[in-house]
Amino acid sequence: GENVEQHPSTLSVQEGDSAVIKCTYSDSASNYFPWYKQELGKRPQLIIDIRSNVGEKKDQRIAVTLNKTAKHFSLHITETQPEDSAVYFCAASPDDYKLSFGAGTTVTVRA
Amino acid sequence: EAQVTQNPRYLITVTGKKLTVTCSQNMNHEYMSWYRQDPGLGLRQIYYSMNVEVTDKGDVPEGYKVSRKEKRNFPLILESPSPNQTSLYFCASSLSGRTDTQYFGPGTRLTVL
Repeated sequence: GENVEQHPSTLSVQEGDSAVIKCTYSDSASNYFPWYKQELGKRPQLIIDIRSNVGEKKDQRIAVTLNKTAKHFSLHITETQPEDSAVYFCAASPDDYKLSFGAGTTVTVRA
Repeated sequence: EAQVTQNPRYLITVTGKKLTVTCSQNMNHEYMSWYRQDPGLGLRQIYYSMNVEVTDKGDVPEGYKVSRKEKRNFPLILESPSPNQTSLYFCASSLSGRTDTQYFGPGTRLTVL
């Protein structure tokens, strides 16, 4: 099955700086790559996603890039704010029905 | 209000005592899925359903059963719970019959003694 690795496991950034989280996947058939944010004690929520026919996607301060050849994709958060502090999960879907998640990255934004 | 609900939210039980965690969505979503979340392992998919009466295994289906008799409900059944099934469980749904944007329920914290 699909194996998704996520790095780093923890990330501390100064408010206003950028944060980058990287994920690699194993199944070349994967074609859908969502990112979920989970605040403490809350449910995961989709923040951005990308499909394999697109190399980059932006939504305000958040962007995701995909390199299908290298089988890796990344989340970029610019101008970080305290409310960006959360656990972020990447995921990959090889067949539109299964979804494999990375282990998560705990992001802490220091004021 | 559009939502995914789960019950119970918290459950402490003993090994071998059958239990069911219910999941219901009011958004007429085709796709529903169950995940477990464990520290350091992220979310792992247990089972999913593309539509009524259509279910399939995720990455960690052992020890679990599901059914999808109605579009809105997707219960998770643990026939004989064991301590290694102690976890935080999330149900999710999406509009299409695929992964797409999934909306998660509030989670069920299960402890098996």
